[in-house]
Amino acid sequence: DIQMTQSPSTLSASVGDRVTITCRASQSVSTWLAWYQQKPGKGPKLLIHTASNLESGVPSRFSGSGSGTEFTLTVSSLQPDDFATYYCQQYNNFSTFGQGTKLDIK
Amino acid sequence: QVHLVESGGGVVQPGRSLRLSCAASGFSFSAYGMHWVRQAPGKGLEWVAVISYDGTNKYYAESVKGRFTISRDNSKNTLYLEMNSLRPEDTAVYYCAKDGWKAAPVSYYFDYWGQGTLVTASS
Repeated sequence: DIQMTQSPSTLSASVGDRVTITCRASQSVSTWLAWYQQKPGKGPKLLIHTASNLESGVPSRFSGSGSGTEFTLTVSSLQPDDFATYYCQQYNNFSTFGQGTKLDIK
Repeated sequence: QVHLVESGGGVVQPGRSLRLSCAASGFSFSAYGMHWVRQAPGKGLEWVAVISYDGTNKYYAESVKGRFTISRDNSKNTLYLEMNSLRPEDTAVYYCAKDGWKAAPVSYYFDYWGQGTLVTASS
């Protein structure tokens, strides 16, 4: 199984900050990597697929990069609606998720 | 717009069975693979099972293989998950999710999710 490790597990930031979340795979997943946002009591929302492709309707302040085993999700200027938990997911070989990064207000 | 609504969750004793349903609308259901993904309370996400757009191909996570069965009825735009021999570790919110690619093969990324239904396996 491919293991996905996110860092940090928790991130405290303020509105307007630029933040980056890292996701590492235990073996190469090429660019078969997605990012999701989840708010309490809700199903996850797709933000990015294929490592850097922004899903339709997702604000352009979100961006993704990387390939192989190392990936990043960046939010260029945090908005109040962005405080949530973020998950990376590899889909090169079935599907596994990272453990999540909780982004909260500083 | 795309709408996925899960139902059928509840409290069940370990060893018993439960069937979940997911009603889909707002897209051509019969053209997409569909998945079940679960989330234990306070924990992360775990992919459970996938079924191809036409129901011919099904794959399962090792943790549920032999106990859970995924199926679909394209005439009713509905996805199912039959869960047998439930264990306490199966306790989770179960989400149905739409695959990101049309037809075959499935992509295994999920562009729409439901709100989930809670399954609690406890005596």
